[in-house]
Amino acid sequence: GQQVMQIPQYQHVQEGEDFTTYCNSSTTLSNIQWYKQRPGGHPVFLIQLVKSGEVKKQKRLTFQFGEAKKNSSLHITATQTTDVGTYFCAGIMNAGKSTFGDGTTLTVKP
Amino acid sequence: GAVVSQHPSWVICKSGTSVKIECRSLDFQATTMFWYRQFPKQSLMLMATSNEGSKATYEQGVEKDKFLINHASLTLSTLTVTSAHPEDSSFYICSAKYGPSNTEAFFGQGTRLTVV
Repeated sequence: GQQVMQIPQYQHVQEGEDFTTYCNSSTTLSNIQWYKQRPGGHPVFLIQLVKSGEVKKQKRLTFQFGEAKKNSSLHITATQTTDVGTYFCAGIMNAGKSTFGDGTTLTVKP
Repeated sequence: GAVVSQHPSWVICKSGTSVKIECRSLDFQATTMFWYRQFPKQSLMLMATSNEGSKATYEQGVEKDKFLINHASLTLSTLTVTSAHPEDSSFYICSAKYGPSNTEAFFGQGTRLTVV
């Protein structure tokens, strides 16, 4: 079945440093979504990428979708303590079923 | 964004009893609802997909007789964990979406189930 791999599993950064998490699918995706889950909370939708090679920005967050629609990345510039949490990618196949990556847990030292 | 309410937030039950978890879309009609299970520090594992008025589609390895899903209306889906055992202790989260299959999903707050 479809597999979505996400790396790294954990990332510890100093406040102000950049952060990137990568997501790779074993199959071509229809689209990919990114979610953030704060400790003790539920996943919150961040963004959806649909087009091959698409790049979207939300303030300090930059999301990319690979040309082959099999990989994606989330980059945070100049991290802040409010960025802590676990970031999940979710690959969506044409059937609409989502497969979540294992997540990358970000901790930020002030 | 749209609001999905999940109830209860946490529940403790005795081994062998059943527990029902509700998932409601408060301000939209959810054509599809999903139930996930999340172990500590792990990802969300899809258990089943539920479409209103039809039987749920369970993922491989998920016992449909143990995890009963009912999607009676466009705003309510329930997950019943039958004859719960300690290994069923987990965080259960629902999500709901409307419209095309590739639209955003809105998540409930999750239910922490502890079976003692």
